[in-house]
Amino acid sequence: EPEVTQTPSHQVTQMGQEVILRCVPISNHLYFYWYRQILGQKVEFLVSFYNNEISEKSEIFDDQFSVERPDGSNFTLKIRSTKLEDSAMYFCASSREDSNQPQHFGDGTRLSIL
Amino acid sequence: AQKVTQAQTEISVVEKEDVTLDCVYETRDTTYYLFWYKQPPSGELVFLIRRNSFDEQNEISGRYSWNFQKSTSSFNFTITASQVVDSAVYFCALKGYTGANSKLTFGKGITLSVRP
Repeated sequence: EPEVTQTPSHQVTQMGQEVILRCVPISNHLYFYWYRQILGQKVEFLVSFYNNEISEKSEIFDDQFSVERPDGSNFTLKIRSTKLEDSAMYFCASSREDSNQPQHFGDGTRLSIL
Repeated sequence: AQKVTQAQTEISVVEKEDVTLDCVYETRDTTYYLFWYKQPPSGELVFLIRRNSFDEQNEISGRYSWNFQKSTSSFNFTITASQVVDSAVYFCALKGYTGANSKLTFGKGITLSVRP
């Protein structure tokens, strides 16, 4: 069964450094998302992306965050200058075009900021 | 605004017991979708079920069953004859219909521990 893949599985970065999290969504999906989960807390929406532009973003997704689909397969989340509070599990998800289709999640990237 | 409340935080049962996980939601959308996801200790999020707001028919899939009641804004999940492999965090999530790629709003999750 096709799945969303995320790399790396764990990223350790010094505070203030830039980090790029990578995702390969399911190939016939058109809608892409990033969520994050701070340890022990609920999953929070960051951003949704369709047709090469952001559809919606949360208040968490400030100017330090950006997303890109640089080619036909990858979907990336960049954090420009990481802060300690960016430490979390970041999940990429994708879904098909129908509104009632579930979002399928990758295994996540655990981001640790030192 | 959308909101999902999972009032139970942790549940511990002995294997073979039945367990029900509660979910209550709030939305102003007339069309919306409800989901349950499972997060095992390995950390991934696994889709379990989707329910549309206009379909209140309950569903059974093996040991899993879901009870959707629009009148009480609840979408509860029951595991029958629980097994140790059911130990995980279970999230209820809501998607309003503001477009095909509307975001998911998650509850805080329920940690289920099934003891042998």
